[in-house]
Amino acid sequence: DGGITQSPKYLFRKEGQNVTLSCEQNLNHDAMYWYRQDPGQGLRLIYYSQIVNDFQKGDIAEGYSVSREKKESFPLTVTSAQKNPTAFYLCASSRSTQETQYFGPGTRLLVL
Amino acid sequence: GIQVEQSPPDLILQEGANSTLRCNFSDSVNNLQWFHQNPWGQLINLFYIPSGTKQNGRLSATTVATERYSLLYISSSQTTDSGVYFCAVMTSGSRLTFGEGTQLTVNP
Repeated sequence: DGGITQSPKYLFRKEGQNVTLSCEQNLNHDAMYWYRQDPGQGLRLIYYSQIVNDFQKGDIAEGYSVSREKKESFPLTVTSAQKNPTAFYLCASSRSTQETQYFGPGTRLLVL
Repeated sequence: GIQVEQSPPDLILQEGANSTLRCNFSDSVNNLQWFHQNPWGQLINLFYIPSGTKQNGRLSATTVATERYSLLYISSSQTTDSGVYFCAVMTSGSRLTFGEGTQLTVNP
């Protein structure tokens, strides 16, 4: 089955803790993205990667970090520097940055 | 950066009714997509339509790039059409900018 998977579905973070959200795709797409969605709002871009070993900051990168060591994987770390991390996080991929983006099912992050 | 405005913000319909959702954008675009976000949060691609008209079943979309707007038509709406509809655009860069969405509720 081709697609994008995200795990976990729900994640709880304690104060001062770093957490990592997983995103995997088997669509052979070069580009991958991370978005944040707050209640009642649209999506905002955190980071994107056009190709392996390359990534760029989006509009709200502060407090987040990423890596792109493999084409299929683009994990997102929410660091303790992100003071308001509670949100719905969506990962996407596309063949190139100019083409249609496809989304995973999302991870809901809650702060305890 | 580019501004994306969607209207109406909320729409309530009876099953079987037709509707039109609008997306205005402030600059030239080379990529425009419509998405449906279901109640569980999954974003589903509806159309990739930087210009012209496309149809897929009960849904169709038209983008008039020269006038900087796009329309999404839903005919004979069903309760499963409920959710949030997003328009997203890209200019010369590599980033999609999303509108705030239209919350659609279809009542039986």
